[in-house]
Amino acid sequence: EAQVTQNPRYLITVTGKKLTVTCSQNMNHEYMSWYRQDPGLGLRQIYYSMNVEVTDKGDVPEGYKVSRKEKRNFPLILESPSPNQTSLYFCASTRLAVGGNTGELFFGEGSRLTVL
Amino acid sequence: SQQGEEDPQALSIQEGENATMNCSYKTSINNLQWYRQNSGRGLVHLILIRSNEREKHSGRLRVTLDTSKKSSSLLITASRAADTASYFCATPTQRGAQKLVFGQGTRLTINP
Repeated sequence: EAQVTQNPRYLITVTGKKLTVTCSQNMNHEYMSWYRQDPGLGLRQIYYSMNVEVTDKGDVPEGYKVSRKEKRNFPLILESPSPNQTSLYFCASTRLAVGGNTGELFFGEGSRLTVL
Repeated sequence: SQQGEEDPQALSIQEGENATMNCSYKTSINNLQWYRQNSGRGLVHLILIRSNEREKHSGRLRVTLDTSKKSSSLLITASRAADTASYFCATPTQRGAQKLVFGQGTRLTINP
């Protein structure tokens, strides 16, 4: 089954304790992206990757890191989480069309993170 | 850098009625997408309409695109309780089609 898998789905942590949210897709997609969703702010892009070893900042990259060592995986790293990073996080992927256009995004089920 | 904005923010209708949601965007686009999100779940792609298309259908969904007005609408006909969800439009930014920008969504409630 084609899917994007995120882990953990729920996490409560404390300020400053490094954490990683994993994302894996089994569709051989070139493009992967992380979003955070907050009430009243909608979905905002954190980072995206066009292919292995190619990553770029989205609209709200501060406080986050990503890596793309393998095509299927795109982990989101919070080196020193703070309470303002409490949010619902989504990973998404898609195949890149000719010209680099993104088509249909496939989303994971989300990771709800609470930073105390 | 919000691109698409949905209207209304919330919509409540009776089962069987049609639901119409609108999306306005600011810059030229090559496509516009609509997604559905059930409460707290991942978004699911519904339909993509290209800039050279004016209307597209998928089952009970009908999407229109008016590039002169920079707007799109999503019509759900014969609504069902299972259609209760948030609906988002998404458009690529000017800086590159690889960045999809989502609106804040329309919260649709179908009352039985």
